[in-house]
Amino acid sequence: GAGVSQTPSNKVTEKGKYVELRCDPISGHTALYWYRQSLGQGPEFLIYFQGTGAADDSGLPNDRFFAVRPEGSVSTLKIQRTERGDSAVYLCASSLDTTSRQFFGPGTRLTVL
Amino acid sequence: GDSVTQMEGPVTLSEEAFLTINCTYTATGYPSLFWYVQYPGEGLQLLLKATKADDKGSNKGFEATYRKETTSFHLEKGSVQVSDSAVYFCARGGATNKLIFGTGTLLAVQP
Repeated sequence: GAGVSQTPSNKVTEKGKYVELRCDPISGHTALYWYRQSLGQGPEFLIYFQGTGAADDSGLPNDRFFAVRPEGSVSTLKIQRTERGDSAVYLCASSLDTTSRQFFGPGTRLTVL
Repeated sequence: GDSVTQMEGPVTLSEEAFLTINCTYTATGYPSLFWYVQYPGEGLQLLLKATKADDKGSNKGFEATYRKETTSFHLEKGSVQVSDSAVYFCARGGATNKLIFGTGTLLAVQP
């Protein structure tokens, strides 16, 4: 693929529901990052995968947030019992390795009503 | 903890004016420094970067110099164009290559 893709582009859900956000990194990129960008703010780091394992999940705000990357390619960010404060744009980025430039996807805009 | 502080916007300039957007970072170690740009309706793109002290990153007429003594990485452009209108984010590299971003500065260039 040409770049990082994310689906869906927009997700509207109700408070308390479960959502999954998907990221398809650039083929061959071993490192994958999730960030969250609230309105008027810069992106904030959530979690980083090297291959299949979460190497750094220090940015996940609480245990409602979880992410997986079972085959070392596609990643899914999962949010349980969504709250209105979870509304934001969720960005995914991938890089060839941990020293290389990160390429960002277009993001998923999550709105929790 | 590690952080980045950049000047608040919006910054409104006329075409061909000189641009400076200030950025400072916390000095834990010797991080790589970046400027990212987000054009209207588009995703984040890397504009330029510098990986060590006194390095100058440059791209599309924009420049920024890594200043260790002042922990700064100010973005400059000599003559802005309407097409430069966007949100600019300063960022530093953190542990595990994660990026730590500033809050962003909206630049609006008027013809």
